[in-house]
Amino acid sequence: DGGITQSPKYLFRKEGQNVTLSCEQNLNHDAMYWYRQDPGQGLRLIYYSQIVNDFQKGDIAEGYSVSREKKESFPLTVTSAQKNPTAFYLCASSIDRGSDNQPQHFGDGTRLSIL
Amino acid sequence: SQQGEEDPQALSIQEGENATMNCSYKTSINNLQWYRQNSGRGLVHLILIRSNEREKHSGRLRVTLDTSKKSSSLLITASRAADTASYFCATDRNSGAGSYQLTFGKGTKLSVIP
Repeated sequence: DGGITQSPKYLFRKEGQNVTLSCEQNLNHDAMYWYRQDPGQGLRLIYYSQIVNDFQKGDIAEGYSVSREKKESFPLTVTSAQKNPTAFYLCASSIDRGSDNQPQHFGDGTRLSIL
Repeated sequence: SQQGEEDPQALSIQEGENATMNCSYKTSINNLQWYRQNSGRGLVHLILIRSNEREKHSGRLRVTLDTSKKSSSLLITASRAADTASYFCATDRNSGAGSYQLTFGKGTKLSVIP
């Protein structure tokens, strides 16, 4: 079955530590996205990538970094510069048709907490 | 920046009743999408309505779009306990260089009581 896999499901970060969240898709989608969701809130866009080896900052990119070396993979690193990292992180992908938004397919998220 | 805003924030109904959720947005759009999120899970796409469409159906879901009022509504008919979830609207926005991203509202939390 095609889909998006996020791992781990739960992650704990110590002070001053960088952590990396994994996102893999086998939908053959060009575009991938990372969102942050805080309790009772909507999703806020962190980074997105429309093609391999290219990515763009979203609305809240500070303290985060990404890479897109393979079409299937879009890992997110939460750096020590992100002072309030506790949140639910969601990865998504979609067919990219430029000006025509397509439905996004989501993974089941990673919940990150501070130790 | 959050463009879509859902209303109400929370809704509790009895099984079998209809549930209506509304979404308002501020700038012009190409399309509007509705998503569902079960507790602790990712979002699932429900329906997409384009700016030149006024109404769309999918099973027990009915979505309307009024571009003059910059609003949309999602109606779930004959609700079931399994419909309990949060529902989000998402609108597209131009990020530049031919790139369009989605902006999500804060969601409506629907509880369907058996």
